[in-house]
Amino acid sequence: RKEVEQDPGPFNVPEGATVAFNCTYSNSASQSFFWYRQDCRKEPKLLMSVYSSGNEDGRFTAQLNRASQYISLLIRDSKLSDSATYLCVGFNNAGNMLTFGGGTRLMVKP
Amino acid sequence: DTAVSQTPKYLVTQMGNDKSIKCEQNLGHDTMYWYKQDSKKFLKIMFSYNNKELIINETVPNRFSPKSPDKAHLNLHINSLELGDSAVYFCASSQVLTALGQETQYFGPGTRLLVL
Repeated sequence: RKEVEQDPGPFNVPEGATVAFNCTYSNSASQSFFWYRQDCRKEPKLLMSVYSSGNEDGRFTAQLNRASQYISLLIRDSKLSDSATYLCVGFNNAGNMLTFGGGTRLMVKP
Repeated sequence: DTAVSQTPKYLVTQMGNDKSIKCEQNLGHDTMYWYKQDSKKFLKIMFSYNNKELIINETVPNRFSPKSPDKAHLNLHINSLELGDSAVYFCASSQVLTALGQETQYFGPGTRLLVL
């Protein structure tokens, strides 16, 4: 079993839709979580950190459920420019390394 | 100004050759990393390195070796290239916030390696 697992998609949604991605992790020692965004043939870029209390940044909301070991990302009012692959990432302080999920591909269509 | 840069952007070479990929960061970060992203888009850590400690992912063949001439540079040297080494290699850097146990990593643009 992979340490961080995501549905690869693709998720095809119309502009303006709300879409949610989930991610599960197996290493209960993981202390921090992030969502990264990767555009086609580009490098990953940090989208937002994920905290136990949840956090919101504009149209994006991230939630962490430690009891169930899953992380979610909600995107409201999808834009064409949101089309990308979204990577769920866990950080283990002991190993000082990020572990990436395989990514979920989102395609927002007019 | 580019925060994390890599050269070359594309690298096409024959099996058995030795090659290096260079990485530089101008963010003043303490830690640098190398990742490999294969054709299935899985991004896997290869090395984590600061001036005190090198952490190696145990699945990385010893043909791969990181070399750091200084804090701002972490180069990746690959010996005896194999077909399976074809992938995109990303360099990254971060400033570990040890008190919070969190870090943001900044990635370079990637080096697309094709081994023929």
